[in-house]
Amino acid sequence: GAGVSQSPSNKVTEKGKDVELRCDPISGHTALYWYRQRLGQGLEFLIYFQGNSAPDKSGLPSDRFSAERTGESVSTLTIQRTQQEDSAVYLCASSLALKGRSGETQYFGPGTRLLVL
Amino acid sequence: DQQVKQNSPSLSVQEGRISILNCDYTNSMFDYFLWYKKYPAEGPTFLISISSIKDKNEDGRFTVFLNKSAKHLSLHIVPSQPGDSAVYFCAASAWNQGGKLIFGQGTELSVKP
Repeated sequence: GAGVSQSPSNKVTEKGKDVELRCDPISGHTALYWYRQRLGQGLEFLIYFQGNSAPDKSGLPSDRFSAERTGESVSTLTIQRTQQEDSAVYLCASSLALKGRSGETQYFGPGTRLLVL
Repeated sequence: DQQVKQNSPSLSVQEGRISILNCDYTNSMFDYFLWYKKYPAEGPTFLISISSIKDKNEDGRFTVFLNKSAKHLSLHIVPSQPGDSAVYFCAASAWNQGGKLIFGQGTELSVKP
């Protein structure tokens, strides 16, 4: 499979615990994005990595959220001290980012469904 | 501040008829608009896009129309098929904001046989 993969597919955790979500982008894609979709809502941008540039963290909702990316491969989104409002589907996407950034097709993974009890 | 809005949460059409999904935006810096389709328990998949310098883009049964003066775009599906039943998201990106997409809330399309 050459698509974006995410793990775990489902995660149930208790309020106050930390969680780590993983994303494996398409090989060769230099741009990687994290989005969140709460129930019944649209996708909400969280963070964006582009090559060696500083990530765009403007969408992270609080300092409990952080993300890292190793080179141009795997990314991990970490949520510390989870709250019930963090329950959502967390989606990762990647793109080639060759022809200029705006309008690039982003390819999404299946998402991680996070439930905080 | 909802920069991209899809005001119809759901739409039901008969197989063979036209489906029209609408999207409005407020940010005049948006220069690309994209439509994504999402099935339950799957990630969104890219459908069609349009640059802000165009007013129409067509790909098979799918056509996107852009009205910049009204800050409005629409996706037409003709003819609609039961397999088109899914949630459709309108998204936009701005040239000065990297590649991040701003999404609408989605419209759930149901195509009945």
